[in-house]
Amino acid sequence: GAVVSQHPSWVICKSGTSVKIECRSLDFQATTMFWYRQFPKQSLMLMATSNEGSKATYEQGVEKDKFLINHASLTLSTLTVTSAHPEDSSFYICSAGPGPNSNQPQHFGDGTRLSIL
Amino acid sequence: AQSVAQPEDQVNVAEGNPLTVKCTYSVSGNPYLFWYVQYPNRGLQFLLKYITGDNLVKGSYGFEAEFNKSQTSFHLKKPSALVSDSALYFCVVYNNNDMRFGAGTRLTVKP
Repeated sequence: GAVVSQHPSWVICKSGTSVKIECRSLDFQATTMFWYRQFPKQSLMLMATSNEGSKATYEQGVEKDKFLINHASLTLSTLTVTSAHPEDSSFYICSAGPGPNSNQPQHFGDGTRLSIL
Repeated sequence: AQSVAQPEDQVNVAEGNPLTVKCTYSVSGNPYLFWYVQYPNRGLQFLLKYITGDNLVKGSYGFEAEFNKSQTSFHLKKPSALVSDSALYFCVVYNNNDMRFGAGTRLTVKP
């Protein structure tokens, strides 16, 4: 069964709306979670690394005020797309793992398709 | 800086034929190498990994991959392709919490 649950799977909303995406690890504690963005027919682009109890680390070019990340517990990280606009439409994927220097694979959520009208 | 290359955007094979999806990498130290598969509108599913030990690793759905240190490659293989194997495949290098994805290879298996 799925070990990482991502919700919602589809979001369609008007421009200017803020959208929250949840990523939950179901049967393990995730000290680190990753958020990705994927454009059609392209690879995953890492947006940020979310660490439990501390501030997220954003990749260069990713607006931290636009994409708010909260990792308040060992099983939940949230990504909030604030005041979303059509150019924010994309497929967002989270992954969770046991932490740095681990040789265990990341577990991925099923993704969230965000469409901003 | 570490990097991963998947030289083929697209691989087409006939059902029942062997398939290979190529991956080469550049990394300092000893890499952890993974293959993931992505079906349409889904997240990534783990197929297999190489950490250490035997260079030939076996994974889910009959896939296997061979780690070749001298050629810095980690090609994904399957002896007999199925139509249901059609998907997007990603090679990933993971080291010290730094994860690098290949660009992805779209595999199409035709009946």
